[in-house]
Amino acid sequence: SAVISQKPSRDICQRGTSLTIQCQVDSQVTMMFWYRQQPGQSLTLIATANQGSEATYESGFVIDKFPISRPNLTFSTLTVSNMSPEDSSIYLCSVRSGSANEQYFGPGTRLTVT
Amino acid sequence: AQSVSQHNHHVILSEAASLELGCNYSYGGTVNLFWYVQYPGQHLQLLLKYFSGDPLVKGIKGFEAEFIKSKFSFNLRKPSVQWSDTAEYFCAVKDSGGGADGLTFGKGTHLIIQP
Repeated sequence: SAVISQKPSRDICQRGTSLTIQCQVDSQVTMMFWYRQQPGQSLTLIATANQGSEATYESGFVIDKFPISRPNLTFSTLTVSNMSPEDSSIYLCSVRSGSANEQYFGPGTRLTVT
Repeated sequence: AQSVSQHNHHVILSEAASLELGCNYSYGGTVNLFWYVQYPGQHLQLLLKYFSGDPLVKGIKGFEAEFIKSKFSFNLRKPSVQWSDTAEYFCAVKDSGGGADGLTFGKGTHLIIQP
């Protein structure tokens, strides 16, 4: 399995501002993913981030709102831009490691937008 | 697009009771199936997974799940639950036939075990 850390663990932000969330993995992984878990809801995939290529966004998510960087095989960032209260969620980083389709999750970043 | 349905959003059981949490998915192709657990204050952990082979898979902490292809189901079971099993349980599916790389999750089941 992979050990994943995220920074910050939580934050309270004002509407209109942006927050960058960092994800660090203890081993090199090809595929990294960003998910959102809105209050009382399940996890929804935002995008897939592969090193050396542009992130692939799921329906309903766009690069201007959620820009992603993937500078190397152990690190990625997700920025939540021009935030509104509807962006209040837990944002989770996930990686594929070991067996082909096994995914592991970070502890999440709890974001509250006021 | 795939969808995953978890039939019970809240389940309350007494210790030593048997547990079965339902999970159905919509995709008709080849899939990989997962159950994740999120204990209070902790992050998601993989309980068990099914890729191929024996449809009855065993995971950590005494959990098992059975893949029934004809029913598009992957129900989670445990013969005798403990207070420490109180958690949120998520079923997830991935198209293993070259579709989307991420997982599609169900809405989760909040399980409470009463001492």
